[in-house]
Amino acid sequence: QKEVEQDPGPLSVPEGAIVSLNCTYSNSAFQYFMWYRQYSRKGPELLMYTYSSGNKEDGRFTAQVDKSSKYISLFIRDSQPSDSATYLCAMSQTGANNLFFGTGTRLTVIP
Amino acid sequence: EAGVTQSPTHLIKTRGQQATLRCSPISGHTSVYWYQQALGLGLQFLLWYDEGEERNRGNFPPRFSGRQFPNYSSELNVNALELEDSALYLCASRALAGLYNEQFFGPGTRLTVL
Repeated sequence: QKEVEQDPGPLSVPEGAIVSLNCTYSNSAFQYFMWYRQYSRKGPELLMYTYSSGNKEDGRFTAQVDKSSKYISLFIRDSQPSDSATYLCAMSQTGANNLFFGTGTRLTVIP
Repeated sequence: EAGVTQSPTHLIKTRGQQATLRCSPISGHTSVYWYQQALGLGLQFLLWYDEGEERNRGNFPPRFSGRQFPNYSSELNVNALELEDSALYLCASRALAGLYNEQFFGPGTRLTVL
């Protein structure tokens, strides 16, 4: 079993839709949870990070962590064509450790 | 502020050869991480260097090795290349240890093994 599972999609939505992206994990020692966005031919860039359980909101983006279910989510409100990218969840045991990534979900927002 | 840089952008090798990939971290960052992004597999952790020392290693064979130089730049070496080593190799750097510090990624080196 992989430590981090993520539906690879692809996911295609109309502009303005609410997008829900999810990951599950098996290692209960993970405490730091991140979402990265990767555009084609670029390195990943950090969108959001959350420590332990709870919600975090930043503009149109909301990250949720449910440690009891080992489940994390990223919601994108009012999706825009510029949001079209691959979204990767990542997690680590401490703030310094290497990251464990999901395989990424490819999102396309259609104008 | 300059970001993480990697060279070369593309690298084409044949089976059995050796490849050397380079990474320059953001100024002031002391930790460097290497990841392999193969098609359909996501990013897999390879190596972590901090202050010139190897701190952790992922589940890869010993022919994947590297080092970190006194200026904190890093090199990844892959010996006896195999076809399945074809992937995007990403380097990330991180500032001094704290509760949490973001890993900043470079654009990657695309390695193709023929």
